[in-house]
Amino acid sequence: EADIYQTPRYLVIGTGKKITLECSQTMGHDKMYWYQQDPGMELHLIHYSYGVNSTEKGDLSSESTVSRIRTEHFPLTLESARPSHTSQYLCASRQGGHEQFFGPGTRLTVL
Amino acid sequence: GENVEQHPSTLSVQEGDSAVIKCTYSDSASNYFPWYKQELGKRPQLIIDIRSNVGEKKDQRIAVTLNKTAKHFSLHITETQPEDSAVYFCAARPTNSGGYQKVTFGTGTKLQVIP
Repeated sequence: EADIYQTPRYLVIGTGKKITLECSQTMGHDKMYWYQQDPGMELHLIHYSYGVNSTEKGDLSSESTVSRIRTEHFPLTLESARPSHTSQYLCASRQGGHEQFFGPGTRLTVL
Repeated sequence: GENVEQHPSTLSVQEGDSAVIKCTYSDSASNYFPWYKQELGKRPQLIIDIRSNVGEKKDQRIAVTLNKTAKHFSLHITETQPEDSAVYFCAARPTNSGGYQKVTFGTGTKLQVIP
């Protein structure tokens, strides 16, 4: 089924650890995004990508990095997790002038 | 860049009443305006959208109106039901030729429908 997938769905990790949040979409979309969102609150764009080998930083300053080596895959990496990174991370994708689809999210807790 | 303001931040209505959420935008190049609904613990999902060549669009109990001159657009929900309770986000996006077409979201409205 064409969809956008995120793993893990929940992650509890200690300070200083390196983590990678995975995002994959099977819809062939060229544009992909990462948002940070505290539950029920504003969506903050942290990274986006036009297509393969294209990545840009979003509006919210983030200590994370992303890569886009394949169209369907857009992982987000935190080199050294801190308690301030505790939040929900939503991946999204879009094709052309059409609607943006969101993944189910990863809820991250850094102790 | 684009700036989208959304009001109110919280809204409580009695079941059966109407709810209206309003958004304003700043960039006259924006011409696509989607609305997303996010239920508790779930992902945002598109419920209705409107393009700038249309002033109003309806889908059953929900409707969106757009005033390009005033740069504002609104979501109207009639005959509200408890399952309408959620956070609603408006957004604006330009359809520029070439380049990145950035979606700018409003800050969200938490709608509570009281049975």
